Amino acid sequence: EIVMTQSPATLSVSPGERATLSCRASQSVSSNLAWYQQKPGQAPRLLIFGASTRATGIPGRFSGSGSGTEFTLTISSLQSEDFAVYYCQQYNNWPPLTFGGGTKVEIK
Amino acid sequence: EVQLVESGGGLVQPGESLRLSCAASGFTFSSYAISWVRQAPGKGLEWVSIISGSGYTTYYADSVKGRFTISRDNSKNTLYLQMNSLRAEDTATYYCAKDPYWGGGGSFDVWGQGTMVNVSS
Repeated sequence: EIVMTQSPATLSVSPGERATLSCRASQSVSSNLAWYQQKPGQAPRLLIFGASTRATGIPGRFSGSGSGTEFTLTISSLQSEDFAVYYCQQYNNWPPLTFGGGTKVEIK
Repeated sequence: EVQLVESGGGLVQPGESLRLSCAASGFTFSSYAISWVRQAPGKGLEWVSIISGSGYTTYYADSVKGRFTISRDNSKNTLYLQMNSLRAEDTATYYCAKDPYWGGGGSFDVWGQGTMVNVSS
């Protein structure tokens, strides 16, 4: 099973600042990596797939990078609606499909 | 509009059974694999099971293997999760999530709103 590790667990950022979230895989997942955003009381929403491709309707301030075992989600200028929990997920070696533990982005 | 709507959650006692449903609309249901993903209160996401578009191929997380059964009725555009021998650790919100591929193995591009399962005596 591929273990996904996200860091930091919590990220405190001021509105308008850049946020950088990390995700590490226990073995290579190539570019088969997705990022999701989840707000309280809501279902997750797909942001990025293929490590760097934005899903339909996702604003350009969200970008993904990386391949192999190291990945990054960058939010270039945080808006109020971006404060949420973010999860990475690998779909290269499955089953099982595995998620990281999440990074909470909170207002500083 | 592409949509998934779960139902069937509730409060059950340990050892009991429950069947969840996920009604799909707005896309060709039989063309895509669908997964169940759960989230315990205050915790992260855990993949539970996946079924291919045809329904012939299924996979399960070790934590539910032998207790849960995933199935689908493509004539009714509905996905199911039969959960038997429920345990307290199965308490979670259960989401159905659409895969972009028929056989599975992609990200989850559409999610339902979730249905809560509470296993408690």
